[in-house]
Amino acid sequence: QSVLTQPPSASGTPGQRVTISCSGSSSNIGTKTVNWYQQLPGTAPKLLIYRNNQRPSGVPDRFSGSKSGTSASLAISGLQSEDEADYFCAAWDDRLNGWVFGGGTKLTVL
Amino acid sequence: EVQLLESGGGLVQPGGSLRLSCAASGLTFNNFARSWVRQAPGKGLEWVGAISGNGGSTYYADSVKGRFTMSRDNSKNTVYLQMNSLRADDTAVYYCARNYGDQEGFFDYWGQGTLVTVSS
Repeated sequence: QSVLTQPPSASGTPGQRVTISCSGSSSNIGTKTVNWYQQLPGTAPKLLIYRNNQRPSGVPDRFSGSKSGTSASLAISGLQSEDEADYFCAAWDDRLNGWVFGGGTKLTVL
Repeated sequence: EVQLLESGGGLVQPGGSLRLSCAASGLTFNNFARSWVRQAPGKGLEWVGAISGNGGSTYYADSVKGRFTMSRDNSKNTVYLQMNSLRADDTAVYYCARNYGDQEGFFDYWGQGTLVTVSS
């Protein structure tokens, strides 16, 4: 059971907009920033969004992040086949004194 | 090119020990904390622990506390994970990652991972 809660799966057709939610608590998302990681099949995770809504250099602006209260969301607009991957949210947890991840959401592009 | 390269994974019996290494190249990582994150087969990501840039502070997940120990040799730009009393549920791909920032930070560079299998 992961500390942060994500839906196990999401899907969309090319060109669509999809969102992935991440729910936490006051000891993590409620007081700390949220990061998102993308893991393409068979590869290591890659930083996608940091500090709630910042994109690293090279990440398309189709990807965006937001946070409200104890929840965060990742939005992907103009969905492309290469976006098919697992997506994980993460944040520091003050109660556990460590980093916590969501269980991951498998995105399928139909 | 900035790279993190893990090594030391393999097959070990329950109760055994293994030491993983994470070598950085292309950039000096000595001012940055580094973490280990693992992923059991078909499962999600789990943070294992972190070590500060100077090695003076370490943090561990409850699941490995007392069994795993992180250390670093900045002269070699390398971080280590000593794993003792290994259990079947420690079987996973272990990734090394650079921590950018503290509790408001993130993992900006990742290695390719090394597989640890705990089985008799």
